[in-house]
Amino acid sequence: ETGVTQSPTHLIKTRGQQVTLRCSSQSGHNTVSWYQQALGQGPQFIFQYYREEENGRGNFPPRFSGLQFPNYSSELNVNALELDDSALYLCASSPTGANTGELFFGEGSRLTVL
Amino acid sequence: AQSVAQPEDQVNVAEGNPLTVKCTYSVSGNPYLFWYVQYPNRGLQFLLKYITGDNLVKGSYGFEAEFNKSQTSFHLKKPSALVSDSALYFCAVSSVTGGFKTIFGAGTRLFVKA
Repeated sequence: ETGVTQSPTHLIKTRGQQVTLRCSSQSGHNTVSWYQQALGQGPQFIFQYYREEENGRGNFPPRFSGLQFPNYSSELNVNALELDDSALYLCASSPTGANTGELFFGEGSRLTVL
Repeated sequence: AQSVAQPEDQVNVAEGNPLTVKCTYSVSGNPYLFWYVQYPNRGLQFLLKYITGDNLVKGSYGFEAEFNKSQTSFHLKKPSALVSDSALYFCAVSSVTGGFKTIFGAGTRLFVKA
């Protein structure tokens, strides 16, 4: 059983640029959630996708957007990058849209904005 | 709105001693409660969950947690700490009224000294 994989693992961007982060969910999971974890803080919920539709969103501006594909993999896009966007971005999958069960996390993509 | 509080930034304990990592929550309706562990530069790993039933739940690596509805708490415990337990621990909550978004606390760093 393949776990959650994320790419790239590390990347550096400059202010104003755009970035796309990718996530492959665990086999059999149809729900993907994205989190932002700033240094020394807990993961902050960005949004969740269930069967290709956004199924909940946290307190993040519209320049944070996402997609989920028919194979349930997902992308997180961030436009007009700001210095405060520097963080570890975590993707988590789960087998249903109702998070009564555990989330399965990838290793994360560490974004540095200069 | 739902929220999670972890009042201690850091917990220090000697190897072999019992450990407790505290968590309180706020949610409308019935909570679904979780503990996750994070090792340096890694994603989060699920430890245990409370959905319903017995207030004492057992999880991975000898950890357990006690759900206390009147105190809205879900403290993580282990009878005998190991040096290898040293890591960052996150409490999390989700609920039907919260749209099943999983919200995390700020985390507690556990140091186990040999």
